[in-house]
Amino acid sequence: DVKVTQSSRYLVKRTGEKVFLECVQDMDHENMFWYRQDPGLGLRLIYFSYDVKMKEKGDIPEGYSVSREKKERFSLILESASTNQTSMYLCASSAPPGNEQFFGPGTRLTVL
Amino acid sequence: RKEVEQDPGPFNVPEGATVAFNCTYSNSASQSFFWYRQDCRKEPKLLMSVYSSGNEDGRFTAQLNRASQYISLLIRDSKLSDSATYLCVVRSFNDYKLSFGAGTTVTVRA
Repeated sequence: DVKVTQSSRYLVKRTGEKVFLECVQDMDHENMFWYRQDPGLGLRLIYFSYDVKMKEKGDIPEGYSVSREKKERFSLILESASTNQTSMYLCASSAPPGNEQFFGPGTRLTVL
Repeated sequence: RKEVEQDPGPFNVPEGATVAFNCTYSNSASQSFFWYRQDCRKEPKLLMSVYSSGNEDGRFTAQLNRASQYISLLIRDSKLSDSATYLCVVRSFNDYKLSFGAGTTVTVRA
């Protein structure tokens, strides 16, 4: 059974803190993605990676960075969290690009 | 203008009813089309791909209209378990990225 796991289901941080969200997949997928999901806006792509150490900006990369040191792990970093980054963060992976994406359970981040 | 637009609903229907809804996409170069399902407080999961000729998967039928740039999803004989948000998803040719609509919420009542 395919599996994407995320390090936390719920996270509360303070403005200005550095935040790490981790995602691990066990399907040997090349492609991994970070989205945020907000009511009325749908899923918006923050960053994606098509190989180890490779990354590309998505539609809303400002305020975020990513790291992919191993194929199975893709981390999202908020260098200095702000209240407008309060959101649901979803990680996904896929084999060939454009194929079905498998999502993790999400991390609901609240920045106070 | 959003790349993918959906009627947010909610569509409230009784068990056994048929419900249908559309989504429109703005990029005429869009190549691949999908419906994902997202249950409350859960992650999205692929429901079905949408092919040019239209396709069925049990009680679910998806259609694509390239000329008018919309796709549709029809659910027949609705079950309580069909209650969810349905996300319309499109991909352009040679693009890693998927573009998601904000979702259409369907609630099936007993």
